[in-house]
Amino acid sequence: GQQVMQIPQYQHVQEGEDFTTYCNSSTTLSNIQWYKQRPGGHPVFLIQLVKSGEVKKQKRLTFQFGEAKKNSSLHITATQTTDVGTYFCVGNFNKFYFGSGTKLNVKP
Amino acid sequence: GAVVSQHPSRVICKSGTSVKIECRSLDFQATTMFWYRQFPKQSLMLMATSNEGSKATYEQGVEKDKFLINHASLTLSTLTVTSAHPEDSSFYICSANAGNTGELFFGEGSRLTVL
Repeated sequence: GQQVMQIPQYQHVQEGEDFTTYCNSSTTLSNIQWYKQRPGGHPVFLIQLVKSGEVKKQKRLTFQFGEAKKNSSLHITATQTTDVGTYFCVGNFNKFYFGSGTKLNVKP
Repeated sequence: GAVVSQHPSRVICKSGTSVKIECRSLDFQATTMFWYRQFPKQSLMLMATSNEGSKATYEQGVEKDKFLINHASLTLSTLTVTSAHPEDSSFYICSANAGNTGELFFGEGSRLTVL
């Protein structure tokens, strides 16, 4: 299948610190989605980016789509303990391939 | 949002038996559903794309005779793990698109343990 890589694999932060996860695709994407999965749960949709260079914000979360539509990032400002979970980018190649994920742990 | 229901949530079976997992879209019709497998602490790996009324499309390395997929109606797709072995133990999860947003809605997942 298509390769969608994500870094870092794990991130431990103190509550209040910022967090960023990066996603790279080996090929150009039609769009990219981001999901969050809590332990024991299923992935929950966060956002979809479609346009080259697109930036979207959801409260403390900022999502970016690269100009070449091959990379993306998710930045969380001032993390909270409720942000704990694994964040996945998902590349849309008419099928949906999950990135390797970044597990975020927030220490209170 | 749209609701996808998956059953059973947990199943334990003996090696050599077959297990069927159901995935239903409750409030929308899904011509396509996606089946994923997730090992502990790993990402979701796409196994196959289930197409209503036609054969499923399997990802490279996924045995179609091992993982039988049937999508007989617009609201139901099934995954049957045939002659299960301990290495098939995993978390299996289905998903579907609803509407035009592109958002994937996931079932609750099925945790399979093969003894």
